[in-house]
Amino acid sequence: GENVEQHPSTLSVQEGDSAVIKCTYSDSASNYFPWYKQELGKGPQLIIDIRSNVGEKKDQRIAVTLNKTAKHFSLHITETQPEDSAVYFCAATFNDYKLSFGAGTTVTVRA
Amino acid sequence: EPEVTQTPSHQVTQMGQEVILRCVPISNHLYFYWYRQILGQKVEFLVSFYNNEISEKSEIFDDQFSVERPDGSNFTLKIRSTKLEDSAMYFCASSLTGLREKLFFGSGTQLSVL
Repeated sequence: GENVEQHPSTLSVQEGDSAVIKCTYSDSASNYFPWYKQELGKGPQLIIDIRSNVGEKKDQRIAVTLNKTAKHFSLHITETQPEDSAVYFCAATFNDYKLSFGAGTTVTVRA
Repeated sequence: EPEVTQTPSHQVTQMGQEVILRCVPISNHLYFYWYRQILGQKVEFLVSFYNNEISEKSEIFDDQFSVERPDGSNFTLKIRSTKLEDSAMYFCASSLTGLREKLFFGSGTQLSVL
């Protein structure tokens, strides 16, 4: 089955700086790569996703890049704000929502 | 924005007891899922449900687990005889038409088996 590795496990950034989280996946058939943000006491919320026919996608301050050859994808958050502090999960799947999640990255934005 | 709601938020039970975790998916969604997250570990897929039957399940979802959509609004996960290792946060999720649409997660039920 699919195995997703996520790094780093924790990330502390100064407000206004950028944050980058990287994930690798094992199954070359995977074609859908969502990113979820989980705030304390809440379930994961989709923040951005990318499909395998696209190399990059951007939505305001967040962007995701995908390298199918190397089987890795990354989340980029620019101009970080305190409300970006949360746990971020990457995931991968082939054609359904049987998602394989990464272990999560705890992002702390220092004011 | 529409929400997936889960009850209870916390459930404490004795080993060997049956528990039912409840979820109300978003009203017009057709695909339903259960995931779980053991403390400090990855979120893991348990089961997907569509058209009143299980469409896929993981190796975690053994005979002790069952799912049901007893009416038009609820989606339940039953654990028949809980074990200590069933202690985890259980998330329900739903989507409108599968992978083509966004997956919405509930806030989870924290299950503690003593």
